[in-house]
Amino acid sequence: QKEVEQDPGPLSVPEGAIVSLNCTYSNSAFQYFMWYRQYSRKGPELLMYTYSSGNKEDGRFTAQVDKSSKYISLFIRDSQPSDSATYLCAVNSGYSTLTFGKGTMLLVSP
Amino acid sequence: EAGVAQSPRYKIIEKRQSVAFWCNPISGHATLYWYQQILGQGPKLLIQFQNNGVVDDSQLPKDRFSAERLKGVDSTLKIQPAKLEDSAVYLCASSLNGQGYEGYTFGSGTRLTVV
Repeated sequence: QKEVEQDPGPLSVPEGAIVSLNCTYSNSAFQYFMWYRQYSRKGPELLMYTYSSGNKEDGRFTAQVDKSSKYISLFIRDSQPSDSATYLCAVNSGYSTLTFGKGTMLLVSP
Repeated sequence: EAGVAQSPRYKIIEKRQSVAFWCNPISGHATLYWYQQILGQGPKLLIQFQNNGVVDDSQLPKDRFSAERLKGVDSTLKIQPAKLEDSAVYLCASSLNGQGYEGYTFGSGTRLTVV
């Protein structure tokens, strides 16, 4: 079983839709949960970071962690064509390097 | 704040040739990472440096890959000899101290094609 599982997509939505991106992980030692956004031919950039369980909101983005089910989510409200990118979840125990999921490609059409 | 610089942006080589990539991290960042990202996959760690010492190179194919970070600043990653399966984007990232809660800042990567 891979440490982090993520559906590669692509996920196609119309502009203005609410987007839900998800990952599952296997190691209960993971405490730090991050979402990176990667535009084509660019490096990943940190979008949001959450420690332990709970929600975190930043503008149109909400990150959610449920440690009991080892499930992490990223919600995007009022999606825009500029949100079209690959979204990578990443996890960390605090004593190790980041482990990434495969990434989900999101396409937001005008 | 200047970002993580990488060069070259693109490289095409024949199998069995050698290639080197260069990375300059954000000033003051003690920790430097090299990741390999194969098309359609997430980044996979190759090596982590803390200053000029290696912290983790457990996933580095040491028979063909080598990396160094002299003086604890910029770093080079070398592949010799290259194989077709080495075709990927090689990403360099840095963080302040390598703590779990720190996000990494990535460069734009070097896209390697081995033919």
